[in-house]
Amino acid sequence: DAGVIQSPRHEVTEMGQEVTLRCKPISGHNSLFWYRQTMMRGLELLIYFNNNVPIDDSGMPEDRFSAKMPNASFSTLKIQPSEPRDSAVYFCASSPDSTGNTIYFGEGSWLTVV
Amino acid sequence: DQQVKQNSPSLSVQEGRISILNCDYTNSMFDYFLWYKKYPAEGPTFLISISSIKDKNEDGRFTVFLNKSAKHLSLHIVPSQPGDSAVYFCAARSGGSYIPTFGRGTSLIVHP
Repeated sequence: DAGVIQSPRHEVTEMGQEVTLRCKPISGHNSLFWYRQTMMRGLELLIYFNNNVPIDDSGMPEDRFSAKMPNASFSTLKIQPSEPRDSAVYFCASSPDSTGNTIYFGEGSWLTVV
Repeated sequence: DQQVKQNSPSLSVQEGRISILNCDYTNSMFDYFLWYKKYPAEGPTFLISISSIKDKNEDGRFTVFLNKSAKHLSLHIVPSQPGDSAVYFCAARSGGSYIPTFGRGTSLIVHP
């Protein structure tokens, strides 16, 4: 079975450019999460969707970040405009239920903003 | 403010010995704890968990211990193997918000 699929795997962009990260959750999973990993802060939750509806976006660092989930099989995380401090690994994850006990992560999107 | 703290960024252990990874938490509402393992260029994968009603959970070479009074948990790997070399994330969640909060991770290196 396919796991959580993220694209692109690597992205290098110039400061000020728009970045769009994409995610396809595991089929049948109704919860989707976007996490960001940095050395200083570890794994931070950015936003969480349940049944395509954003439930908690308190982790989104600022208005430059936005996320959408137009349907059960697709989500995007957009940064506009991007800044060097946004450089990190962005993980998408999905869960089959609402217990939070089992979260399946994608392989991550490595973003470098120069 | 980090609610889940992994104060050791790295740990080096010889193959065959025990690896002990520590985690502290501050939120007394946390009632479920998880450990995730992450290899380079891969996403974290679930390893083992423990409910607050228990103080120990064992799965093969991996054992998690929970000390609620100290708000401390630890992951023991015995015997350690080179394939265990990875970053280990401690996570915790409460019944009221089932989204786990992760620590910063500890990088374990097991030397042959």
